[in-house]
Amino acid sequence: LAKTTQPISMDSYEGQEVNITCSHNNIATNDYITWYQQFPSQGPRFIIQGYKTKVTNEVASLFIPADRKSSTLSLPRVSLSDTAVYYCLVGDVRASKIIFGSGTRLSIRP
Amino acid sequence: DTAVSQTPKYLVTQMGNDKSIKCEQNLGHDTMYWYKQDSKKFLKIMFSYNNKELIINETVPNRFSPKSPDKAHLNLHINSLELGDSAVYFCASSQYRAGDTQYFGPGTRLTVL
Repeated sequence: LAKTTQPISMDSYEGQEVNITCSHNNIATNDYITWYQQFPSQGPRFIIQGYKTKVTNEVASLFIPADRKSSTLSLPRVSLSDTAVYYCLVGDVRASKIIFGSGTRLSIRP
Repeated sequence: DTAVSQTPKYLVTQMGNDKSIKCEQNLGHDTMYWYKQDSKKFLKIMFSYNNKELIINETVPNRFSPKSPDKAHLNLHINSLELGDSAVYFCASSQYRAGDTQYFGPGTRLTVL
């Protein structure tokens, strides 16, 4: 069972690049890595998903090293609206297990 | 159109009561989930259904019973509510399976007095 570990909180400033790392030492062969964003009083929202190497979309990049024991969510040039909790999820594609991380509370300051 | 909807948004009730939370998705997805988020913001999966079949059933009290009348609906019934059941409950759906992108509902805040 791939347990995930994330920093509890991070602070940054507008315009900076923010990197949030998630550790998942026991990740299984069939597991994908997914990141979600959650604003207060809302449900989590999908940001990005990957299996290995690097994935980039219009809002973020996801870096996964060859051993897949960790992953890093990179948010380029953050703004105040990026203040949220970010969850790392390791999902067994055989749909037998889903583990959410404890979440990282990201605070962006002007 | 709301992709994943839940009703009610807020639910306040007394200990010992029985209550239900409804969830509907209009995305045509095959898999639906129920999550519990406690006051510390830990998000824990409770159940998952794929085409009306239970595929994930985490260790939750048997007072919690999911019901899926069709693949667009997954309701959560809770018997004999306890103080510790107070939390936000999220419904979600994904196209095929757990590793796919999940779309979450707005949540139902349950308060047990």
